[in-house]
Amino acid sequence: AQSVSQHNHHVILSEAASLELGCNYSYGGTVNLFWYVQYPGQHLQLLLKYFSGDPLVKGIKGFEAEFIKSKFSFNLRKPSVQWSDTAEYFCAVPGGSYIPTFGRGTSLIVHP
Amino acid sequence: DADVTQTPRNRITKTGKRIMLECSQTKGHDRMYWYRQDPGLGLRLIYYSFDVKDINKGEISDGYSVSRQAQAKFSLSLESAIPNQTALYFCATSTSSGANVLTFGAGSRLTVL
Repeated sequence: AQSVSQHNHHVILSEAASLELGCNYSYGGTVNLFWYVQYPGQHLQLLLKYFSGDPLVKGIKGFEAEFIKSKFSFNLRKPSVQWSDTAEYFCAVPGGSYIPTFGRGTSLIVHP
Repeated sequence: DADVTQTPRNRITKTGKRIMLECSQTKGHDRMYWYRQDPGLGLRLIYYSFDVKDINKGEISDGYSVSRQAQAKFSLSLESAIPNQTALYFCATSTSSGANVLTFGAGSRLTVL
């Protein structure tokens, strides 16, 4: 069965620090990978996605993620976080019928 | 107006009561989903529908039922609510083309006492 693992459950950073959130998956089919973000009190929205091509994908608000096929990883990065990046971040991979299966999420708190 | 609208946004009910959460969308998407979010557990799929005549169970369908009344409407019912169904419920939609990029509603927070 497809699964996705997020290693960091809670991350606390100061503004301007660099961010990397880990995501590993087990999936043998066509790889479509997603990161979604949920800002406090809001619904989930797509941050970025990888379907094919350049393994380094860029999303909104300066986020990027790198697909490393050999490591089954799709880690999320941002060089310098802002207070407004405080949110919960979810990695997702295709599950049954290609419906996204979500990781348990990483709660990011950025202190001003 | 939101592309995916969920009602109610918040609901407190008692054990044993029947609850319906409604979802409507203006995206024109043919696929609709219900997920449940619990702290530390991420989102888990309850039910999904690829079109009006198609209903499928997800990972955690026990205790829930759904109805796809029209392409734009997908409701989730708890026939007899229990406390461990206290959670945040999200409706989502996607097209049949592409890779199931989901558009989410704002969520319905349900508390079962």
